[in-house]
Order: sequence, then C-alpha cells, then structure tokens
Amino acid sequence: DIQLTQSPSFMSASVGDIVTITCRASQDISSYLAWYQQKPGKAPKLLIYNAATLPSGVPPRFSGSGSATEFTLTITSLQPEDFATYFCQQLNSYPRIFGPGTKVDI
Amino acid sequence: QVQLEVSGGGLVKPGGSLRLSCAASGFDLGDYYMNWIRQAPGEGLEWVSGINWNGDTTGYVDSVKGRFTISRDNAKNSLYLQMNSLRVEDTAVYYCAREEVRIQSLPQKRIYYYYGMDVWGQGTTVTVSS
Repeated sequence: DIQLTQSPSFMSASVGDIVTITCRASQDISSYLAWYQQKPGKAPKLLIYNAATLPSGVPPRFSGSGSATEFTLTITSLQPEDFATYFCQQLNSYPRIFGPGTKVDI
Repeated sequence: QVQLEVSGGGLVKPGGSLRLSCAASGFDLGDYYMNWIRQAPGEGLEWVSGINWNGDTTGYVDSVKGRFTISRDNAKNSLYLQMNSLRVEDTAVYYCAREEVRIQSLPQKRIYYYYGMDVWGQGTTVTVSS
C-alpha cells in the first residue's frame, strides 16, 4: 500500500504568515493527491484535488503543487479561520490513505 | 441541498455488530464513488472502505478486511457499512463521503480522473467497549 508522510506535524503561525505543508508519498501517485482542512468537531473540507486544483468556493490563498512523490500545500496570508488541521490523501488506488495531518495553531 | 446523513452508530460490546447507513439527498448517489472514513478520538483520519458506482469494485483498509462490508443501494440513494466482529480499536466517529470519478475512454485504454471527496456526512459515533 502507498504510505503518506506529512511535515511538519505541528506548526505555530500568525495571521498574515505564509504557511507551507509538505506531503510525501512512498511511491509515484502522479497528481492523484487531495488536501483537506478539518476543524475540531467538524467533518473535513476538500481544499485541493489533482494536487493543484481548487474546488469552487475555496479561497485563492490556498494553493497546491507537486507530482509523483512530493507535494506542497501553501497558504498565503494566513487568516484566523485557517487555524485547523490539514490532511493530504492519495487518490491513485485503494486504500485511499490519508497523511497523518498537520496542525496549524496560533 | 446536497447532503449526506449518517446513522446507525452506538455502543456495542467487543465482538458485536453494527450497520451504518448514509442517506444521500440533493444528488444521485449512483453518479459517485462512495467512501467510509473514521476518526478515533484525538487521532487523524483513516480511510476505511470505498465502493465504485455500481458496487462491483470495493476496497478496504487492512485492519477491517473480512470484518466490514461496504454496500450501496442506488435506488434508495443509500450507502451502508456492515461492521462485524467489532474491536475496541474500531471506536471512532465514522463519516461517509462522496467522491467524483470520471473515465475517459480511449481506443487502447481508459483514463480515470479523481476529484476528491467533496461532500461529507456529519459523522456517527461508534463506541466498542465492554
């Protein structure tokens, strides 16, 4: 099975900061990667699919890049509502593994 | 309004069974792959199982293979997860989520396009404890 790692697992940031989170896959998954945001007690929200595509309604301060085994989620100008936990997920095959998550805290 | 309503969670003893249901409204379930994802208290997300449009392809995480069965009834716009031989470590909030998948058919091959899990149910709590 494909495994995903994320770094960092935790980060402290301030409003207005640029935040970068990395996700690495144990094998080539092309661009079949999604990113989700989750706030406490809530279901996750899809932020990015195909490594770099934003669904409608996701603010453009979120961006994704990468392919094969290394991917990045970038949040430019962090907003108060962005403090949350972020997960990557591979969509290349079953099982659709999630990364362990990155908590972005104040 | 597009939404997924999850039900069926509860408290069960180790070795027991539960059946989770996920009812879709505002869209045709048959147009989507569907998935079950769980989250243990204080932990990350764990994909549990998935099923394609008509149910002839399913997938499971290793820890539930042989114990859990995913199924769907497109006529009822519903997804199910039958959970048998439950263990303490199955304790979690269980979510269902839809996943858009498209196929491009070319002369020699098919190309699949995956759009991520864009609609999630509210989750139901499963507690396995004696």
